[in-house]
Amino acid sequence: NAGVTQTPKFQVLKTGQSMTLQCAQDMNHNSMYWYRQDPGMGLRLIYYSASEGTTDKGEVPNGYNVSRLNKREFSLRLESAAPSQTSVYFCASLRAMSTDTQYFGPGTRLTVL
Amino acid sequence: AQSVTQLGSHVSVSEGALVLLRCNYSSSVPPYLFWYVQYPNQGLQLLLKYTTGATLVKGINGFEAEFKKSETSFHLTKPSAHMSDAAEYFCAVSGGETSGSRLTFGEGTQLTVNP
Repeated sequence: NAGVTQTPKFQVLKTGQSMTLQCAQDMNHNSMYWYRQDPGMGLRLIYYSASEGTTDKGEVPNGYNVSRLNKREFSLRLESAAPSQTSVYFCASLRAMSTDTQYFGPGTRLTVL
Repeated sequence: AQSVTQLGSHVSVSEGALVLLRCNYSSSVPPYLFWYVQYPNQGLQLLLKYTTGATLVKGINGFEAEFKKSETSFHLTKPSAHMSDAAEYFCAVSGGETSGSRLTFGEGTQLTVNP
């Protein structure tokens, strides 16, 4: 099992460019999450998908959109990147219950110039 | 609503010394609590979690944590630090199924282990 995979690992964008971050899990998990990590702020939830076919906003959704393409894949899109979106982005997945463990991908380091 | 406070953004210990990383939480529902570790340039890995039952929870790499409801705390300890423990540690609380089992994280504590 690869677990949770993310592509790309690194990306540099110019202000105003768009891009999609890809996430896939092979554990047959129901729920998937996108977080961003900034120094001194821990991880903050951007969007999540509690089950296939549903998505909900998290703590910091502005400037982002998501698509739960199928049970395996959950993508994060930046339509018009801004320097404030420079961050490390992590995708995570959860089997079903709140007592289960969230498994994290290796992250995507994004720089917006 | 849930929140987590980690006291001390940086903690430095000597190799062989006790490690104590502090975490206090606020939760409107019975809390499920987690400690994750992040090594440089990697994702997060679960150290241990408290869901129900025994309040002293043992995790990987010799770490343990005690859930104290009266103090709303879930501090992480390890009796003897090893150089390989140097990493960033995050405490998190789950919002439960009604909020999609989302996690709320603390700001993180960077642990340095000195030889």
